[in-house]
Amino acid sequence: SQKIEQNSEALNIQEGKTATLTCNYTNYSPAYLQWYRQDPGRGPVFLLLIRENEKEKRKERLKVTFDTTLKQSLFHITASQPADSATYLCALDNGSGGYQKVTFGTGTKLQVIP
Amino acid sequence: EPEVTQTPSHQVTQMGQEVILRCVPISNHLYFYWYRQILGQKVEFLVSFYNNEISEKSEIFDDQFSVERPDGSNFTLKIRSTKLEDSAMYFCASSNQGRSDQPQHFGDGTRLSIL
Repeated sequence: SQKIEQNSEALNIQEGKTATLTCNYTNYSPAYLQWYRQDPGRGPVFLLLIRENEKEKRKERLKVTFDTTLKQSLFHITASQPADSATYLCALDNGSGGYQKVTFGTGTKLQVIP
Repeated sequence: EPEVTQTPSHQVTQMGQEVILRCVPISNHLYFYWYRQILGQKVEFLVSFYNNEISEKSEIFDDQFSVERPDGSNFTLKIRSTKLEDSAMYFCASSNQGRSDQPQHFGDGTRLSIL
């Protein structure tokens, strides 16, 4: 069966360090992978999308890598700040016929300690 | 920045009652979605909707659920006869082109509590 696993439920890091979150998937062949941020009691907010032919994508302090051989994406936040504390979700589209059917991972709760 | 709005923010309903959750997607978006998130669990896809038709649905979206776009701005999710296990956060989302390389924009959800 298809699975998306984010193998840390929670991650605590010191302010200023780089946070690295992992997303592994099985039985998918995605052309795209997305990362979202979710704050408590709020809806997910889109952060970054990476295509299968892109090894790396950056946006400000965020960096995403995508290894289709390992079936893994890494999400990095450099110079982390307490405001980065949130749950981060990876997501894959399993739709057919061109319609989206997004499946989310279980999420990693990041806590940045001042 | 345009946003997806959902009402009510919290709905409390007796088991067996019908409930309608409402969403106003971003105005120029054409693709609409409902997700649910049971407390402490992951966000789960329910249904996608385009051109007044369901385009994809999950196993969760059984005959108790229905969606409708009653006018040019609202998108609703109806649960006909609620069960205790329907208690969850329900998120509405919309996207412009509905392709896999397009982000979805989410509302802040309706917390549904079934008593």
